[in-house]
Amino acid sequence: DTGVSQDPRHKITKRGQNVTFRCDPISEHNRLYWYRQTLGQGPEFLTYFQNEAQLEKSRLLSDRFSAERPKGSFSTLEIQRTEQGDSAMYLCASSLAVPYGYTFGSGTRLTVV
Amino acid sequence: AQSVTQLGSHVSVSEGALVLLRCNYSSSVPPYLFWYVQYPNQGLQLLLKYTTGATLVKGINGFEAEFKKSETSFHLTKPSAHMSDAAEYFCAVSDGSSNTGKLIFGQGTTLQVKP
Repeated sequence: DTGVSQDPRHKITKRGQNVTFRCDPISEHNRLYWYRQTLGQGPEFLTYFQNEAQLEKSRLLSDRFSAERPKGSFSTLEIQRTEQGDSAMYLCASSLAVPYGYTFGSGTRLTVV
Repeated sequence: AQSVTQLGSHVSVSEGALVLLRCNYSSSVPPYLFWYVQYPNQGLQLLLKYTTGATLVKGINGFEAEFKKSETSFHLTKPSAHMSDAAEYFCAVSDGSSNTGKLIFGQGTTLQVKP
């Protein structure tokens, strides 16, 4: 069990650029979640995959955001045409089943300048 | 809709003193309740969870929490604070009748431990 890995740890991008983050969950976990955390706030749910199927998306996930989980393994979160309001920590978590708790990755901190 | 309120954004205790972090939730269905800890620039680590059964749950690092349905509370306690407990703590709730496992988090409580 190597934990949940996220890459990159930090990303600084100019407004209007596209960025992509990667998450590698614990291998036997079929559930994968993306959350966004802004300074001083708790994480907010973005989207959820069970295997390769994206089963739920938050209203926070605008048309500029897209997430994939090909073959039910790693996942990517892409933000197109980044805005300053996208600056946040993006957290990935995986889980074996409900109601087990998540295992979180260390997150990707995005700064849009 | 479910929600979580953590009372007190900052709590300061002396080393060796009791730690009490308060969490109240709102849920129209039986909830699953969680406490997570976050150290600077890291992800969240599960401290403990309540799903069903015994209402007093014990977690890692000497923490425990009690589910009180009548008070809609799930407060986190530790008898004796250690310097290493200084971190941010998040209470979270999920829908016990849903299969998604989606969590609703509180805004967090920063615990400061003074020597």
